[in-house]
Amino acid sequence: DTGVSQNPRHKITKRGQNVTFRCDPISEHNRLYWYRQTLGQGPEFLTYFQNEAQLEKSRLLSDRFSAERPKGSFSTLEIQRTEQGDSAMYLCASSLIPESYEQYFGPGTRLTVT
Amino acid sequence: SQQGEEDPQALSIQEGENATMNCSYKTSINNLQWYRQNSGRGLVHLILIRSNEREKHSGRLRVTLDTSKKSSSLLITASRAADTASYFCATFAGGGNKLTFGTGTQLKVEL
Repeated sequence: DTGVSQNPRHKITKRGQNVTFRCDPISEHNRLYWYRQTLGQGPEFLTYFQNEAQLEKSRLLSDRFSAERPKGSFSTLEIQRTEQGDSAMYLCASSLIPESYEQYFGPGTRLTVT
Repeated sequence: SQQGEEDPQALSIQEGENATMNCSYKTSINNLQWYRQNSGRGLVHLILIRSNEREKHSGRLRVTLDTSKKSSSLLITASRAADTASYFCATFAGGGNKLTFGTGTQLKVEL
């Protein structure tokens, strides 16, 4: 399967702990996006990378959040000092701009902060 | 923040019937896309319509776009139980670099 993969699929952590998620995009895709989705809502944009450069961050991305995409391949999203409000599904997507605006999503990482 | 809203929030139909979902958005767009999300699975792209297009078809899907009203509709014909999912519209704004999703329509197709 050459789709977008995310690890772990589920993460339960205690408030105050740090967590890191990984996303492996489709190999030839130059754009990588992170979204957050809470129950009953559509995904909300967090940040995106064009190759290894992080070009836009949402106001939703507080200082506790950091994302990287070294070498323009996989990406990591770290949340420091987790809060209960961080509980959500974190989705990664990739695309090949400008050839296609269609985004390919991974299965997501469900974070539960207790 | 969400770009707009979808209507209805939930829809229940019998297999074989048609399902229509509507989406409204707020700003000018480059294109509008529809995605499907099954329970426990990721989002799957269904169809994209550009701002200069008014209607597009793909298999059992028909999408319309009215930029003057900032609205779109998705029609699924001859629905199947496997179509049961949440459907989201998402806009890609002119000059923007991300998708902005609506609130979604939960479709249930019963046998």
